[in-house]
Amino acid sequence: DSGVTQTPKHLITATGQRVTLRCSPRSGDLSVYWYQQSLDQGLQFLIQYYNGEERAKGNILERFSAQQFPDLHSELNLSSLELGDSALYFCASSVALNEQFFGPGTRLTVL
Amino acid sequence: AQKITQTQPGMFVQEKEAVTLDCTYDTSDQSYGLFWYKQPSSGEMIFLIYQGSYDEQNATEGRYSLNFQKARKSANLVISASQLGDSAMYFCAMSPGGSEKLVFGKGTKLTVNP
Repeated sequence: DSGVTQTPKHLITATGQRVTLRCSPRSGDLSVYWYQQSLDQGLQFLIQYYNGEERAKGNILERFSAQQFPDLHSELNLSSLELGDSALYFCASSVALNEQFFGPGTRLTVL
Repeated sequence: AQKITQTQPGMFVQEKEAVTLDCTYDTSDQSYGLFWYKQPSSGEMIFLIYQGSYDEQNATEGRYSLNFQKARKSANLVISASQLGDSAMYFCAMSPGGSEKLVFGKGTKLTVNP
């Protein structure tokens, strides 16, 4: 158990819908990262937050947004969902550069 | 742009033997970090080992060691005394200099045979 929690574990929804994925980092970790794992794109970095502020942005679509709250939990919002958004979404957290611990992931299926 | 290459889509090893999973990277940064993660069929990503670009000694964590050859830009993972539970996907990743994001390779599927 990495100490990073993600909910829900599975999510099934329809095209055009909006969903919110939630992540709680390990206790004391200020950085939260979001990654997407899909069959065609592999594992891709989406976005990083540090202590409530956006720190780095990767290949995140404009339909996707994220935020980190004062209690350090983070949410990834995915809107206008398309079939191609079906993937495993991971949250990771860290307190140092030499570690990133991943949560169990949220498997999103868009029908 | 930074890139991680894992040339072995699949590897097979006998239980109790050692296995090396290859990883090469491409970066012009002087400072960077190299990571290995294990992803079992259950899907979670398990952190295995880290090597900093300025670390002179190869990193080791239990049965895992990272064979870091900076001039060749390689960061191979060595698993000693393989166990059946080592069967999984293994991903090599890099954090480019000044960045904390991870760039991943496509992974190697390791199968440990009894």
